[in-house]
Amino acid sequence: AQKVTQAQTEISVVEKEDVTLDCVYETRDTTYYLFWYKQPPSGELVFLIRRNSFDEQNEISGRYSWNFQKSTSSFNFTITASQVVDSAVYFCALDRGSTLGRLYFGRGTQLTVWP
Amino acid sequence: EAGVAQSPRYKIIEKRQSVAFWCNPISGHATLYWYQQILGQGPKLLIQFQNNGVVDDSQLPKDRFSAERLKGVDSTLKIQPAKLEDSAVYLCASSGGLANYGYTFGSGTRLTVV
Repeated sequence: AQKVTQAQTEISVVEKEDVTLDCVYETRDTTYYLFWYKQPPSGELVFLIRRNSFDEQNEISGRYSWNFQKSTSSFNFTITASQVVDSAVYFCALDRGSTLGRLYFGRGTQLTVWP
Repeated sequence: EAGVAQSPRYKIIEKRQSVAFWCNPISGHATLYWYQQILGQGPKLLIQFQNNGVVDDSQLPKDRFSAERLKGVDSTLKIQPAKLEDSAVYLCASSGGLANYGYTFGSGTRLTVV
């Protein structure tokens, strides 16, 4: 069975602080994909990153970075120098990678960045 | 490229009434998904279509929920009769498949059952 756990329900930081959102996943598949989505108050799901199970290289995109460790089944997301606009719910999700794949979501982490 | 279109954006109904949601996926995307997102939770898959066939509807409460995707394009999700616990955001997503990987989500329909 596929499962995604985001243990942090809510995180509050002050602007310019760095913050890491944790994601732990479970799957027996050798091929799978991991995703992060941002859901602002308007409600739409905004795609942030997709990583396949064979690529353990960390990725950096501006203030965002992702750390993928298969040994601990984790795919953590770090925001450097957080901004008020980063306030949103962030979801980690897992896909089995088949042609008829679908996403398994975690419960999400509510991030609030205070000015 | 136009995104996934959903309507209505908001809906308030009384319990035991019926309601329908509409989704128009990205042109050419063969796979369409309906997710239910209850407040404070992650989206949960209700039904997955491949063209106009159902791939997975194991989590769809079939006694009250139904969905169709005629001609493999637009899709409609219906609830009849609605219960209070159906209050949620209903998200539609589409995917072009493994060769064109990724999922695109619509803005969702926020349903409130009173």
